[in-house]
Amino acid sequence: EPEVTQTPSHQVTQMGQEVILRCVPISNHLYFYWYRQILGQKVEFLVSFYNNEISEKSEIFDDQFSVERPDGSNFTLKIRSTKLEDSAMYFCASRRDRNYGYTFGSGTRLTVV
Amino acid sequence: AQTVTQSQPEMSVQEAETVTLSCTYDTSESDYYLFWYKQPPSRQMILVIRQEAYKQQNATENRFSVNFQKAAKSFSLKISDSQLGDAAMYFCAYRPYALIQGAQKLVFGQGTRLTINP
Repeated sequence: EPEVTQTPSHQVTQMGQEVILRCVPISNHLYFYWYRQILGQKVEFLVSFYNNEISEKSEIFDDQFSVERPDGSNFTLKIRSTKLEDSAMYFCASRRDRNYGYTFGSGTRLTVV
Repeated sequence: AQTVTQSQPEMSVQEAETVTLSCTYDTSESDYYLFWYKQPPSRQMILVIRQEAYKQQNATENRFSVNFQKAAKSFSLKISDSQLGDAAMYFCAYRPYALIQGAQKLVFGQGTRLTINP
């Protein structure tokens, strides 16, 4: 069964550093998402991406964050100048079209020290 | 704004017994989707079951079934013949049937941690 692949599985970074979280969505999917889950809390929407542009973003997704689909297969989340409170599990998800459910990746655990 | 509430932070059940996890939601939309996701210790989000709001029939997937009460905005998950592998965090989620491209984010509840006692 096709999978959404996320790398790395765990990343540790120093506060103030930039990180790039990578995702390879399922190849025929058109909609892409990033979600975040701070330890012990609910899963929160960050951003959705369709047709090479952001279609919706939450208030969490401020200027510190950016997304890109640089080569038609990868979907990246960049966090500039990381803060301690950015420590969380970050999930990438993709969807084929509006009538299909999401497929989530296995997540990247980001630890900011 | 839509909200999803899971009022049971933790539940436990004996192996082979049946357990029901509760979920309520708030929306002014008439068309939408509801989901239950399972998150085992590996932290991956796994779709368990989904329900379209326009369908009156409750969804079922093997040992998993839902009780969808649209008027009450309630969407509970029943797990029959519980197995040790069912132990996980379970999240209820809502998604609008939006016509706007991309405006179909999932809104999650707080989660219920399910423990299976052997």
